[in-house]
Amino acid sequence: AQSVAQPEDQVNVAEGNPLTVKCTYSVSGNPYLFWYVQYPNRGLQFLLKYITGDNLVKGSYGFEAEFNKSQTSFHLKKPSALVSDSALYFCARTGGGNKLTFGTGTQLKVEL
Amino acid sequence: GAVVSQHPSRVICKSGTSVKIECRSLDFQATTMFWYRQFPKQSLMLMATSNEGSKATYEQGVEKDKFLINHASLTLSTLTVTSAHPEDSSFYICSARARTSGSVTDTQYFGPGTRLTVL
Repeated sequence: AQSVAQPEDQVNVAEGNPLTVKCTYSVSGNPYLFWYVQYPNRGLQFLLKYITGDNLVKGSYGFEAEFNKSQTSFHLKKPSALVSDSALYFCARTGGGNKLTFGTGTQLKVEL
Repeated sequence: GAVVSQHPSRVICKSGTSVKIECRSLDFQATTMFWYRQFPKQSLMLMATSNEGSKATYEQGVEKDKFLINHASLTLSTLTVTSAHPEDSSFYICSARARTSGSVTDTQYFGPGTRLTVL
């Protein structure tokens, strides 16, 4: 079955420091990978996606993610975190069907 | 671009009543819309996939007679929670996939969600 895993429930980082939110995917079918962010009591906002091509994908708000086939990972990164980046981040995938399969989410907390 | 709206944003109703939630793609046509349910501090659970002009496809364990979905046009899908009970209280989120290639690689854009509380 196609799945994604987010091994960290919460990530804490100081403002100005680089941040990484981890995501790994199951090796099943073609992995089309997405990152979304959710602010409290809001829907999900699309950040970026990897379909094919360049392994480094740049997205909204300065975020980027690197598709790593050997490690089956698609970690979300940002060089310099902002307090306003604090939110819930979801990794997701499709492949072989309509559905988006979501990870369990990682709460990012950026502190001053 | 790619804005999805939901209405209402919040609803409180009595047990036994029905509640309708609307999902609209404002600046694009969506051949496919999705309805999700999210419990506190949990991920999104897909309830059903809705294609314009055809019956919705429900996920296993989701009662289609309780959660009625209508995708009447390329910009509107509705979810009706019939005879709501307290256990139906949740955050309901819709998403819409733009009518481009119709491929699974197309991005889903999400609405802001509807908080349903059943007393």
